[in-house]
Formats: sequence, structure tokens, C-alpha cells
Amino acid sequence: GAGVSQSPSNKVTEKGKDVELRCDPISGHTALYWYRQSLGQGLEFLIYFQGNSAPDKSGLPSDRFSAERTGGSVSTLTIQRTQQEDSAVYLCASSRSRGRDWISYEQYFGPGTRLTVT
Amino acid sequence: KNQVEQSPQSLIILEGKNCTLQCNYTVSPFSNLRWYKQDTGRGPVSLTIMTFSENTKSNGRYTATLDADTKQSSLHITASQLSDSASYICVVDLDPTGGGNKLTFGTGTQLKVEL
Repeated sequence: GAGVSQSPSNKVTEKGKDVELRCDPISGHTALYWYRQSLGQGLEFLIYFQGNSAPDKSGLPSDRFSAERTGGSVSTLTIQRTQQEDSAVYLCASSRSRGRDWISYEQYFGPGTRLTVT
Repeated sequence: KNQVEQSPQSLIILEGKNCTLQCNYTVSPFSNLRWYKQDTGRGPVSLTIMTFSENTKSNGRYTATLDADTKQSSLHITASQLSDSASYICVVDLDPTGGGNKLTFGTGTQLKVEL
């Protein structure tokens, strides 16, 4: 389909291992966002990409978290030395180029990756 | 204290009935307020976006209202259907350009529609 896709859908990893989460945004969407949704909590902003650059990384909780985006398309969120508190659903969203109409700013979300750290 | 609070936390209604979900926020100024619907195991889907100067916005059976003076918003669902069962999330955009880069999310109201 033409929506945002994420992989894997589920990931179980042992504490201390590194994980990579992937996001494929909607084709042509220049903005890409990563969020984290913990049980009983609201979505928490992690990082925002405009093209391949990340103007806002303020939500990354620690230096164990990093993200990159290549070719203005696919993005990877990497969590190093995972901890149990990293267990959550990681959501990716994309939106079109900034314009003067709300449709440009509308964020379309992927289904998320459920990460469980044991 | 969460800057965007929603009530109730959960709600069960019978199919065909109406319901209203509440959102109180403390963040300001903001450029727009959004309501999203999130089905279990899926990403949120936008229902409405309102600027701070708008009072109401409808999308089919969903009607959102906004009172910027009291910092309250509501989402009214008319003639509920089983498919309305989901989490409804209130979101405030602090980005002054309205670009959606500073979204603050509520924790959601979990709605269940039963026969």
C-alpha cells in the first residue's frame, strides 16, 4: 500500500543488545518523525527529520538512541545496549513538504514496532 | 502533571448512542489542536485539526469543539458504531508555524462500543 510502513512489527531482545527499527515513509513526504508510546502514556516525541537532516533531536532520551535517514526516504532508529525501560511501541510518521494548508502538515502514522526488552 | 489531560480514561457505550470525550490542556500558546483515533495495534489516524481561532470542526459523525479561553476541547461522536471502539487522543501543536513539529499528546480515552 501507499501508507507508512515499519519493520519489524514486533521485536523481543535481551537487555544489553542493540536493535534497529526501520521506517518507510509515504513516497514524497519530506518530514519524518519518530515517537515512543509506553503503556499508559501519551506518545512521546523522539526526533524529527526534514529531508536527511534532523533539526530537532530533543526527544531522544539518552545517547543510546540515534536515528538516521538516507536518500530522504527510509529512516532507522537504533537503540544501543537496550534496557527494560526501552520497552514500548515505537511509531513513525511522515508528512508532506511544509506548505500553507493543513494537509501538508498532516502526519500519517505507521503501525509501529512493539519492542520488548527482557 | 500532563500538559494535555483527557477524560474519561475509558468509556463503554451501547451502539447507536452518542458520547463526548473531554480534553483539558495547559500548554500555550499553540497553533492547532488535533484529535486522533488509534485502533489497537495501529498508528493514530487524524480526525480533526482546529486552529486556536476555530470553535468547531466536523468530520462525519465526529465533531470537535474548542474553547481557547477555558483551554478545553471536546470530541463528540454521534450514533456510535462498533468500529468506533478505539483510543481517542487529543494533541496540541506548540509549533508556532503550525508545522506539527511540537506535538504534545494526551494519554487518550479508550472507547468501547458494545451491542
